[in-house]
Order: sequence, then C-alpha cells, then structure tokens
Amino acid sequence: LAKTTQPISMDSYEGQEVNITCSHNNIATNDYITWYQQFPSQGPRFIIQGYKTKVTNEVASLFIPADRKSSTLSLPRVSLSDTAVYYCLVGGIDTGRRALTFGSGTRLQVQP
Amino acid sequence: NAGVTQTPKFRVLKTGQSMTLLCAQDMNHEYMYWYRQDPGMGLRLIHYSVGEGTTAKGEVPDGYNVSRLKKQNFLLGLESAAPSQTSVYFCASSSRDRKNTEAFFGQGTRLTVV
Repeated sequence: LAKTTQPISMDSYEGQEVNITCSHNNIATNDYITWYQQFPSQGPRFIIQGYKTKVTNEVASLFIPADRKSSTLSLPRVSLSDTAVYYCLVGGIDTGRRALTFGSGTRLQVQP
Repeated sequence: NAGVTQTPKFRVLKTGQSMTLLCAQDMNHEYMYWYRQDPGMGLRLIHYSVGEGTTAKGEVPDGYNVSRLKKQNFLLGLESAAPSQTSVYFCASSSRDRKNTEAFFGQGTRLTVV
C-alpha cells in the first residue's frame, strides 16, 4: 500500500487560503488520491479525489503534479468550521489496493 | 437513505467479555471496512471485505474477528475484550466503481473496556 506523509499540524486564520501537501512517493500507476476531513467525534467525510493535474469542487481544489509523487489540498478562504483533521489516502480498485488505510493526518486549526 | 449505521453507539465491557458490533449499509456497496481510532490518533484498519462472504486482515486485526454473511452487513466481534481495545470504532463502505473510491462512514461506536 502506498505510504503517505503529511504535516502533523497547521495553523491559519479565517479568510486565508490553506494548502496541505501530502507526499506519496510509491504511488502506483492506477492509484487515485483521495482526501478526507474529520471533525471530533465524527467519522471522516470525503472531500475530493483526483488522478492527475487539477480537480476542483465546491469545497476544495486538489493539485497533482505530473510525477504524482505528491498532492496538495487547497482550501480557499477557510472559516472556523474548517478546523478539523485532514487525511490523504492513495489507492484504487484496479490495483487491488482496496484496503483504505489512513495515516496520521494533518490537524488544521483555524483562528478568528 | 440512512447510509452507514453502526450499532450500538456506546458500550462498556468488562475484561474478558465478548461482543459484536454491527455495521449496516443501504447503498449496495461491495466494500466494507472496520477501523479503530484511539484518542488523538488516526484511523487504523482492522479488517475489510470486498464482497459478501469474503474478509481480509487490515493493519491491526489481532483480537478481532469479522463476518460478511450478507452484502449489507459487516460484523466485528471481540471474543475476549481487553482494556487495550478501548477505542472508537468506525465502519465504512464504498462502491466498486474504479473511478470513485469515496467511502461513507458511520457515526462510530465508543467502546470502553474496564
């Protein structure tokens, strides 16, 4: 399974853009990159998924360079409610990497 | 549409007791997962299933057993509970769609072993 490395924690202020980078050096050709958000006492929630280049939805953007060995989750204009733990996962159905494994995640604290 | 439902939400066990956690999903998903999350830590995969009648070990399978007799249900059993198994347990499910690995999680079961 592809191992991921993320910063343990990040701090930001309301209204700022936050970028969280994840390293996944041994990503396989058919692996997808997926990000989840988790609030205290809740299960993780899917944010965004991508394979290459850039993906954007109503919540975030995901930037993936050509070599796909890293990815960056971008949260535009964060608010206090974005305070959570963010997890980067790498895997895919085709590769048989069906075991979704979570790393330690990045704890984002948004200040007023 | 209930999504993923875990039963029970809270439980206190004495050391050595056994119990079964039930996970039910109504999204016709092929894949189901059981995780544990200790305070301040990330989720660790216990067991998972890629279809009815099949299960596989995850990162921390010792002390747990699972069964997937029906597609919509995934059971997690503790045969002889230990204080080290005090944790919050999450169940999740996802489809077999190769382009969509989004997993849906239950609300969690908070288990305390005394």
